[in-house]
Amino acid sequence: QAQLVQSGAEVKKPGASVKISCKTSGYRFTSYPIHWVRQAPGQRFEWMGLMDAGNGNTKYSQKFQGRVTITRDTSARTAYMELSSLRSEDTAVYYCARGNWNYGDYWGQGTLVTVSS
Amino acid sequence: DIVLTQSPGTLSLSPGESATLSCRASQSVSSNSLAWYQHKPGQAPRLLIYGASSRATGIPDRFSGSGSGTDFTLTINRLEPEDFALYYCQQYGTSPFTFGPGTTVDIK
Repeated sequence: QAQLVQSGAEVKKPGASVKISCKTSGYRFTSYPIHWVRQAPGQRFEWMGLMDAGNGNTKYSQKFQGRVTITRDTSARTAYMELSSLRSEDTAVYYCARGNWNYGDYWGQGTLVTVSS
Repeated sequence: DIVLTQSPGTLSLSPGESATLSCRASQSVSSNSLAWYQHKPGQAPRLLIYGASSRATGIPDRFSGSGSGTDFTLTINRLEPEDFALYYCQQYGTSPFTFGPGTTVDIK
C-alpha cells in the first residue's frame, strides 16, 4: 500500500520561503503524479499544483504560479513543494497526495506551516 | 473556476442511520470527474469515491456515490461510529481542481 510521509511543522516569517518534503513508499514512484493541496484554517482545500514524477513536468494553479515550485528526487522517492514570498494568508496545512488521474488516492499526513512575524 | 457547493453543512445522525450528502457544481463536471473524501482532524484525507460512483480500494460498500453533470450525491448506509467525520467533494476534470466546503456528519 502506498504511503506518503511529510516533513514536520514549520514557522516562517513573512517574505520567507518554505520547502516541504513528501517521502513515498509502497509503489513505483515514477509511475504516478504527486499533487499538492493546502487547507487554511476554516477554509476549503485548495489545489496548488502537480508534478509528473516520471519526467518532472509540472502544472500549477494560476493562483500560485510564480510562487510555487514542485520538484522531486527520484532516487529518494521524494517530492518537494517550495512556496516563496510567504504571507500570513499562507498559514495552512499542506498535503501531498499521490495522483490517480487528477484525484488523490493516497495522501500524506499534512504539514502545518505558520507564517508569523 | 468550478465552484462546488455542499449541503447540508452539518448532518446530525445516529449510528445505524443513513446519510445523504449533496455536492453541486457551478458548471458541468467533465466526464463526471468527481471524488469524495473523508477527513478526520489530524489525519490524512481518505479517498472514498472517484469517477462519481466508483469506490476506492478498501472502501466498504455502505459508501456509494451517484450523480452526473452538476449534481452529485454521497450516500452512507448504516452509519458506523468511525463514519462520523468531515466529507469533501472534489472535481478533477477541469484545472484548477476544486473542492467543496465540506459536510460534517456528527453524532446526534
